Amino acid sequence: EAGVAQSPRYKIIEKRQSVAFWCNPISGHATLYWYQQILGQGPKLLIQFQNNGVVDDSQLPKDRFSAERLKGVDSTLKIQPAKLEDSAVYLCASSLLPGASTSYEQYFGPGTRLTVT
Amino acid sequence: ILNVEQSPQSLHVQEGDSTNFTCSFPSSNFYALHWYRWETAKSPEALFVMTLNGDEKKKGRISATLNTKEGYSYLYIKGSQPEDSATYLCASYNYGQNFVFGPGTRLSVLP
Repeated sequence: EAGVAQSPRYKIIEKRQSVAFWCNPISGHATLYWYQQILGQGPKLLIQFQNNGVVDDSQLPKDRFSAERLKGVDSTLKIQPAKLEDSAVYLCASSLLPGASTSYEQYFGPGTRLTVT
Repeated sequence: ILNVEQSPQSLHVQEGDSTNFTCSFPSSNFYALHWYRWETAKSPEALFVMTLNGDEKKKGRISATLNTKEGYSYLYIKGSQPEDSATYLCASYNYGQNFVFGPGTRLSVLP
């Protein structure tokens, strides 16, 4: 089966600019996650979708970050405006069953490495 | 946000050596513990999902154990090979929180 797709793989922008990342999960996976991984730290959950509804966005900096999942499939994460501290790898993951998603492994995409200068 | 810790931070071993790392997680309201392997320039890959106290899982030369009462999991690699070089991440899911990842253990296996 095809894996989780993400684009772009790399992005360099200046602070105060905007950027958007795209994720296409594995077909049939109801749950989608966006993580931010800063160098030297573990991935931090930004937002979790179940189908096209938000389950958890408690760690999403809502003043500058937004995310949507259109029709419960693809998802876009946007940063506007970017700050230097947003430099990180942004990982998208999906998993199979919504009700028991914590017991099922997450399938990760290759990530987008963002550098803010 | 509860804390998940991993040790050591990094590890260098010779090919053929066996090794193990530790993941410490909150034992209260525990639900599931995930282990992932993340090779450079690749996607993190799931190794194990563990939920029951005393669980032991094995995949080839890699195995893991789980102690939910004291809040730790061990990952073992028997006879390390250069292709085992990666960052090993654990993530804990506790009721009332969502997945919290540890900072990872970076393993280098020298030929």
